[in-house]
Amino acid sequence: QVQLVQSGAEVKTSGASVKVSCKASGYTFINYYIHWVRQAPGQGLEWMGTINTGGGSTTYAQKIQGRVTLTRDTSTSTVYMDLSSLRSEDTAVYYCARGRWVAESSGFYFDYWGQGTLVTVSS
Amino acid sequence: DIQMTQSPSTLSASVGDRVTITCRASQSISSWLAWYQQKPGKAPKLLIYKASSLESGVPSRFSGSGSGTEFTLTLSSLQPDDFATYYCQQYNSLPGTFGQGTKVEIK
Repeated sequence: QVQLVQSGAEVKTSGASVKVSCKASGYTFINYYIHWVRQAPGQGLEWMGTINTGGGSTTYAQKIQGRVTLTRDTSTSTVYMDLSSLRSEDTAVYYCARGRWVAESSGFYFDYWGQGTLVTVSS
Repeated sequence: DIQMTQSPSTLSASVGDRVTITCRASQSISSWLAWYQQKPGKAPKLLIYKASSLESGVPSRFSGSGSGTEFTLTLSSLQPDDFATYYCQQYNSLPGTFGQGTKVEIK
């Protein structure tokens, strides 16, 4: 069965960086993009970016571009999300999700999600 | 970016009720809309894609409709397991923006 398993909770201070991992199993890793979506406490869902797990190309949300980097390791079917210059407003649960590509729309929806990783940024 | 607006923000209902949630897009997204259910402390779960296609394993009491800019998610007979927050998401273009969510509460 498809599974996305994320690394554990992190507590960071302002200005630091955090790296969260997402290990995929149960399907052919390079056939699906992986996306990252975050959710601040009590808030909605915010798309952060995506990585083509086959070729490695990335696309990021404009709001967070320059601070986020997605990478992948095809040998371990793992995607990494690196977020730098952390601020208090980055405190959130970070989810990885498998993107189901729709050619007609050139867009994605998300059929499997990781369990989430809480990142807490304290000053 | 395409803006997605859900209504209502909160909905109080009883078991057995028929419930409808609306999602409006700031521009036409054809039928490129998904619906998710999220329970507290859990990841979202895909319910519906392409506005009205039921994801495998999702109960048939969930249904979706609409196209263009206006969409609805309907729960035909609310069950205890359905009390949760529901999100719409457009995938007409990147970024795939979400609505702000609709919380379905017990009346």
